[in-house]
This record gives sequence, structure tokens and C-alpha cells, in this order.
Amino acid sequence: DAGVTQSPTHLIKTRGQQVTLRCSPKSGHDTVSWYQQALGQGPQFIFQYYEEEERQRGNFPDRFSGHQFPNYSSELNVNALLLGDSALYLCASSFGRSGANVLTFGAGSRLTVL
Amino acid sequence: AQKVTQAQTEISVVEKEDVTLDCVYETRDTTYYLFWYKQPPSGELVFLIRRNSFDEQNEISGRYSWNFQKSTSSFNFTITASQVVDSAVYFCALSEDDGTDKLIFGTGTRLQVFP
Repeated sequence: DAGVTQSPTHLIKTRGQQVTLRCSPKSGHDTVSWYQQALGQGPQFIFQYYEEEERQRGNFPDRFSGHQFPNYSSELNVNALLLGDSALYLCASSFGRSGANVLTFGAGSRLTVL
Repeated sequence: AQKVTQAQTEISVVEKEDVTLDCVYETRDTTYYLFWYKQPPSGELVFLIRRNSFDEQNEISGRYSWNFQKSTSSFNFTITASQVVDSAVYFCALSEDDGTDKLIFGTGTRLQVFP
């Protein structure tokens, strides 16, 4: 049973560019959340998608946007990249939306902005 | 406001020592959930335990044990007889009963177990 898969695993971009990260949730899960983890920090919630709509958003600018597809997979887009966007981007999936849910995380996409 | 504090940035122990990781949380909700996740070098967060705010019963699972105390807003995690494979970053996290499963993480504690 495959868990959460993310692609690409590593990528390097330059300031001002745009990036798209992809996530396939664990089988049976319908909710996808994205987190940003800067070096030496805990993951920070970016946003959550459920039924193809953004349901909740953390304290991130509009440069960060996403999408969820009918098969529950998701994309995270970041426009006008800044050096500070360099981080590990983690995707997590769950079934439904409850504070009691145990999230399943992927191994992340490590973004380096030069 | 919700907040999770892990005051220990890094802990180093020798194999077979016991080690306790501290976690203090803040929330105004009466219903909430607390988690511990482990992050090995591969990057993937691995779920260890979940506790809800109404269940203060402490738990032991093999070499792992957890101490949840609402009176001090703490949810500490102990590894007994540590092993080299326990080396990782450990995160404490909080989720509130707000219709989402958004997690608020602490800054993590890096545990290094030396042979």
C-alpha cells in the first residue's frame, strides 16, 4: 500500500522563477495538506485541500497557490520565488477533516532558491 | 493563540541511556489533540502517538512512554534504553477541534544516540 508520494524530490530554482510541486495522497485519503519546513524549524501549515477546494490557509502570501484534482492528488505552486522560499515542502494526506486525524506525510520536495 | 514549545534543541546520549523529550503547548480550546512525530534523515515524518485532551492516561509502548499532564500543559515523551536507530528529530504537534486537521508543530528536538 503506497503512502504519500511527492515529486520532484529535489530541485533548484533562481529568484523570480516559478515552481510546481506534486503530491499523490495515500490510497483511501481525500484530504491533502501542504507544509513548509525551513532548515532547523518545525513544519508550518500552508493550506489544505478537500473536495478540490482550499479549505484553510496558513500565514503564507498569495504567491503560494494550489490545486486538488478529482483523483485527490494535489499541486503546490509558488510564484516569484524568493531566497526565503528555500525549504523542504511536505505533503500530508488524511481522510476527511478532523483534529483527531493522523496525517500521513510524504518524504518531501527540497527546494533550493539561488 | 495556539503554540507548541520544545525547549530542547538537541540532546546527545549514549546507547542504553533513557531520554525524555519535553513538550509544552498552549491552546484555548477544551478539545484538542497532541501528537509526536519522528523525522529521520530521509525527511518523512513518522507518526508515533496521538492523545486527545480528555485522555490523560499515560501510555507505555515498548521502549516508548508518554506523560500527558493538562495541569502543566505538557506532553513529554521518554525513550527507555535508547538505540542508535532512535537518532532523529522529534516533533510535538497540536491539533484543535476546528473541523480541520491542521497541525501546529514545535521546533523539534534533535536526538543523537551514540554507540
